[in-house]
Amino acid sequence: DSGVTQTPKHLITATGQRVTLRCSPRSGDLSVYWYQQSLDQGLQFLIQYYNGEERAKGNILERFSAQQFPDLHSELNLSSLELGDSALYFCASSVGGGGQALSGANVLTFGAGSRLTVL
Amino acid sequence: AQKITQTQPGMFVQEKEAVTLDCTYDTSDQSYGLFWYKQPSSGEMIFLIYQGSYDEQNATEGRYSLNFQKARKSANLVISASQLGDSAMYFCAMMTGTASKLTFGTGTRLQVTL
Repeated sequence: DSGVTQTPKHLITATGQRVTLRCSPRSGDLSVYWYQQSLDQGLQFLIQYYNGEERAKGNILERFSAQQFPDLHSELNLSSLELGDSALYFCASSVGGGGQALSGANVLTFGAGSRLTVL
Repeated sequence: AQKITQTQPGMFVQEKEAVTLDCTYDTSDQSYGLFWYKQPSSGEMIFLIYQGSYDEQNATEGRYSLNFQKARKSANLVISASQLGDSAMYFCAMMTGTASKLTFGTGTRLQVTL
């Protein structure tokens, strides 16, 4: 158990639907990252939050949104789902938020992932 | 822009032998960190080892060591005394001082044989 909790582990839904993926970071970690892993695109960075604020944005579609709550858990909302959104979605957390002071505090600890299947 | 290149899609190694997984990186930042992660068939991402750009010594963690050659921009992972449980996908990744995201390479699939 990495200490990063993701729910649900598996999700099957239909095109056009909306789903929410939830992530609880490790105790003490302030940063939450979301990644998408698909066979054709590898591991793609979606978005990062640090202590409740958006810190960095990657290749996140407009149909996707995320937020980090005051208790530091995060949710990734995926709407108007398409077949191509089928993937493994990872949440990761770290103590640090990146930036100039790089150190081992920036090591990302990953959750077990949420596998989304869109039919 | 930052980029990680892993040129070996797949590797085979015999049990108890050492293996080197290649990783090269590209960044104009002076401050950066290099990471290796393991992804077994079960899917989870497991952190293995970290090397900071200003670290003078190569990082080691048990059977894992990182061969950091700054001038060549390479950060190869060396696994000593391979075990069957080392069979997995291995990802090299980088974070820079100006970009807090972790950028991953395409990975190398390692198969350990008897």
